[in-house]
Amino acid sequence: DVKVTQSSRYLVKRTGEKVFLECVQDMDHENMFWYRQDPGLGLRLIYFSYDVKMKEKGDIPEGYSVSREKKERFSLILESASTNQTSMYLCATRANLNYEQYFGPGTRLTVT
Amino acid sequence: GDSVTQMEGPVTLSEEAFLTINCTYTATGYPSLFWYVQYPGEGLQLLLKATKADDKGSNKGFEATYRKETTSFHLEKGSVQVSDSAVYFCALLMYNNNDMRFGAGTRLTVKP
Repeated sequence: DVKVTQSSRYLVKRTGEKVFLECVQDMDHENMFWYRQDPGLGLRLIYFSYDVKMKEKGDIPEGYSVSREKKERFSLILESASTNQTSMYLCATRANLNYEQYFGPGTRLTVT
Repeated sequence: GDSVTQMEGPVTLSEEAFLTINCTYTATGYPSLFWYVQYPGEGLQLLLKATKADDKGSNKGFEATYRKETTSFHLEKGSVQVSDSAVYFCALLMYNNNDMRFGAGTRLTVKP
């Protein structure tokens, strides 16, 4: 079974802090994704990566950056957290030529 | 751009009732279509999928048929259980596209 783990289930940070969210997968998938999930808005793509050191902006990249130094690990960075970044963050992976996306359990981030 | 529209929730049903959650899509080509389910406190799991017109996806008593003529992929279940209470997301993926598009999600609550 594919396993996608996220570093924290719940996180509380202060405005202006730098925040790191980590995602690790164990299935050698090429593609990794970061989404945020907000009520009534569904999932919105922040960034994705299709290979090590490669990244592409999604729909809402502002205020975020990402890092993929190893194939199994994809980090989301909030350079200076703001209250409007309070949300549920979901990581997902997908192999090339495969349709199924596998999701981690999510990190609920609260910025105060 | 490609997008998915699904019926707004929340939906509340009694156990053994019939369930329909509507989903329609807009796409320039012929996407693959998916239903994902998110149980409380968890990430998203693939429920079923259909990759071409007239395909029927099915799993755990849920079904959805890919209707090209109506650009729809409605989710149905003949007799819901309390354990089906979750949020359901319709999604599409275009071939050769890394970006999976999700609907806003529909929360289903099944009461005993």
